[in-house]
Amino acid sequence: QVQLVQSGAEVKKPGSSVKVSCKASGGIFNTFEISWVRQAPGQGLEWMGAIIPLYRKTKYAQKFQGRVTITADKSTFTAYMELSSLRSEDTAVYYCARDDLTGSYPNYFYYGLDVWGRGTTVTVSS
Amino acid sequence: EITLTQSPGTLSLSPGERVSLSCRASQSVSSNYLAWYQQKPGQAPRLLIYGASSRATGIPDRFSASGSGTDFILTISGLEPEDFGIYYCQQYGSSPYTFGQGTKLEI
Repeated sequence: QVQLVQSGAEVKKPGSSVKVSCKASGGIFNTFEISWVRQAPGQGLEWMGAIIPLYRKTKYAQKFQGRVTITADKSTFTAYMELSSLRSEDTAVYYCARDDLTGSYPNYFYYGLDVWGRGTTVTVSS
Repeated sequence: EITLTQSPGTLSLSPGERVSLSCRASQSVSSNYLAWYQQKPGQAPRLLIYGASSRATGIPDRFSASGSGTDFILTISGLEPEDFGIYYCQQYGSSPYTFGQGTKLEI
């Protein structure tokens, strides 16, 4: 049974950075694509980016390009999302979620985000 | 970037009823990589459907979905009280992956 365990809540000042971790237990980390999705209070889901840890191949939403960096450490089965230049609008719950890919790079088959972390609340406030 | 538009915004229904939720894409979704999620307050989303029409593991067969290209439908036959929540569609056929704005289902 795959689980994604995220780091704890953070309170940050405007202009600073936050780094959230997502550790996978169970499953084969190297076949995952890990996405990061955020949800501001009372709002919908917003996809930020994703990484295939095996190849460190990343994708980002244009909105966050230049401010977000997604990385992964295969040795510890952990993915990270770092968001810089924080502003109050970045206050949200940040989720990691996995898609368990089949096939071989770059012609993978994708199956949607079937396992999610519990979310990490990031509050940006002066 | 593909924009997903969901309708209706909110639905109020009774147990036992049948409901269809719509998700329309601004351009064709590659490989019909369209997923549906259910989210309840304070919880992470739960995958219901992937590949436009395949039920995820453990999802009851009252949930079904269809569609291709730009038009997709999620149908719930025989609503149960636990089906309340917000339903999101997501396309993951081309980056950036995008979500619809959600349909709120009140039972």
